[in-house]
Amino acid sequence: DVKVTQSSRYLVKRTGEKVFLECVQDMDHENMFWYRQDPGLGLRLIYFSYDVKMKEKGDIPEGYSVSREKKERFSLILESASTNQTSMYLCASSSPSSEAFFGQGTRLTVV
Amino acid sequence: QQQVKQSPQSLIVQKGGISIINCAYENTAFDYFPWYQQFPGKGPALLIAIRPDVSEKKEGRFTISFNKSAKQFSLHIMDSQPGDSATYFCAASQGNFNKFYFGSGTKLNVKP
Repeated sequence: DVKVTQSSRYLVKRTGEKVFLECVQDMDHENMFWYRQDPGLGLRLIYFSYDVKMKEKGDIPEGYSVSREKKERFSLILESASTNQTSMYLCASSSPSSEAFFGQGTRLTVV
Repeated sequence: QQQVKQSPQSLIVQKGGISIINCAYENTAFDYFPWYQQFPGKGPALLIAIRPDVSEKKEGRFTISFNKSAKQFSLHIMDSQPGDSATYFCAASQGNFNKFYFGSGTKLNVKP
């Protein structure tokens, strides 16, 4: 069974904190993604990575950075959390030209 | 701008009825069109997908209809069941990197 595991289901952080969201996949997938999901806006791509140490900006990268030091792990970093980053964050992985498998999501609240 | 437009935003269907969700895209380079189903508290999961070389794909009660010239595709759920109540997302991607573009989602409620 394909598994994409996000380290936290729920997080509450304070404005200005540095926040790390971790994602691990066990299928040896080349591609990994971070999306945020907001009502009425669907899933919007923040960053994606197609290889270790490789990253590409998605549609809404501002305020975020990522790290991929190992093939199975893709981290999303909020450098200085703000209230408008309160959202559901979804990690996904895929092989080339194939479906994406999603984690359970992390609901982040910034207060 | 939004690469994939999805409608309706919400849908209420009686048990046994047909649920229809529509999506439209602009980029003719898209070559993979999946539909994802998401239950509350879960991540999206692939339901069914199609490539532009066919006009229809059916898996059980779920059918994708694809109109390449109109740049539209739709999901039909036949004999809708209360267990189908979920949020559905269409998506499109291009090439090997699978940079998916998602629609805004449709919340389906199937009434018993």
